Amino acid sequence: KQEVTQIPAALSVPEGENLVLNCSFTDSAIYNLQWFRQDPGKGLTSLLLIQSSQREQTSGRLNASLDKSSGRSTLYIAASQPGDSATYLCAPENTGNQFYFGTGTSLTVIP
Amino acid sequence: GAVVSQHPSRVICKSGTSVKIECRSLDFQATTMFWYRQFPKQSLMLMATSNEGSKATYEQGVEKDKFLINHASLTLSTLTVTSAHPEDSSFYICSAPTRLGETQYFGPGTRLLVL
Repeated sequence: KQEVTQIPAALSVPEGENLVLNCSFTDSAIYNLQWFRQDPGKGLTSLLLIQSSQREQTSGRLNASLDKSSGRSTLYIAASQPGDSATYLCAPENTGNQFYFGTGTSLTVIP
Repeated sequence: GAVVSQHPSRVICKSGTSVKIECRSLDFQATTMFWYRQFPKQSLMLMATSNEGSKATYEQGVEKDKFLINHASLTLSTLTVTSAHPEDSSFYICSAPTRLGETQYFGPGTRLLVL
């Protein structure tokens, strides 16, 4: 069964800093990997999707990389803003379209 | 774009009652839908895979007689929490992949509180 670990569990940074969130997973036979954002008490917002054949994806200030063979992904957030404060979830998807979620990184960006 | 809806968004019920949660794909057909739950400060965990026209498959540790899943049409899956207890209080979220599975959409979630 896929096990997903996210480090750090919590992160607090001043506004403007660049930061990296780490994700590792145990089963490299994935279909793709997504990074999600979850605000308190809310559902999921998909941020970036990386297909298994890709190595990275970029959207605005976000960049996600994938090293499938080593079971690692990172989410890079540039020039962080208070509005980025949320929990970030890494979720590899298997070929059966099932997601496995990490426990997330809780990010607080201080104005 | 494609949207998945859930109803209700929030429900409070008494212990021992049953609660039905609906998951609908609004502009695409989904032969498969997934149900997840998230306890406070924990990760989302897959509960079961809902298959249109056939029985759902449940993850280890999830009681199929307690969490009844019905996927009666290509756009609707329902999760019924039977004889709910306070420990069933959680955030339930569904997802539906498009037919080719290239994209998957998540519902907004249902927060269940059992008193």
